[in-house]
Amino acid sequence: EAGVAQSPRYKIIEKRQSVAFWCNPISGHATLYWYQQILGQGPKLLIQFQNNGVVDDSQLPKDRFSAERLKGVDSTLKIQPAKLEDSAVYLCASSLVAARPLAPTNEKLFFGSGTQLSVL
Amino acid sequence: AQSVTQLDSHVSVSEGTPVLLRCNYSSSYSPSLFWYVQHPNKGLQLLLKYTSAATLVKGINGFEAEFKKSETSFHLTKPSAHMSDAAEYFCVVSLFSGTYKYIFGTGTRLKVLA
Repeated sequence: EAGVAQSPRYKIIEKRQSVAFWCNPISGHATLYWYQQILGQGPKLLIQFQNNGVVDDSQLPKDRFSAERLKGVDSTLKIQPAKLEDSAVYLCASSLVAARPLAPTNEKLFFGSGTQLSVL
Repeated sequence: AQSVTQLDSHVSVSEGTPVLLRCNYSSSYSPSLFWYVQHPNKGLQLLLKYTSAATLVKGINGFEAEFKKSETSFHLTKPSAHMSDAAEYFCVVSLFSGTYKYIFGTGTRLKVLA
């Protein structure tokens, strides 16, 4: 099966510029996550969608970050304006939607390869 | 609140020797626990997961992990390290609250020496 697709793979921008990342989850996966992974740290959840609704965006810096998932399939994450501390790998992940806990074998999180952002 | 603590940020082993990567968790109820591996410039790959069916979980590439409730631990082991095991390893706990949320540890970088 096709995996989680992300683009671009790498991006270099100057501070105060804008940047956008794209993610296409696995077909049929209604839950989509954006994580930020700073060098030497574990992934940190930025925003979680279920279909096209936001479930959790408590750690999203809303003054500069925005995300959307208009048709409940692919998603874009935008940073405007970028700061030096935004340099990180941005990971997209998807999983099956669950109105109640899934059977254990079905609970899985699938990741894309990530977008490595360097802000100079 | 759910959390995971990876006790070592870096682990070095010689090729052919055992690997032990330590993880402790905090959870108010029986958790689902995972180990993910991240090779350089690659995405995160699921190694194995625990979901209460069996305390000893076998994963891919010869890795396994044992869930110990009394110690709140979920350590990852492999009998014999291979050069290709060099990577970053993340312990993850999930909780269900209307939808699944996944909380990552800070990671352990495994170095395998020839």
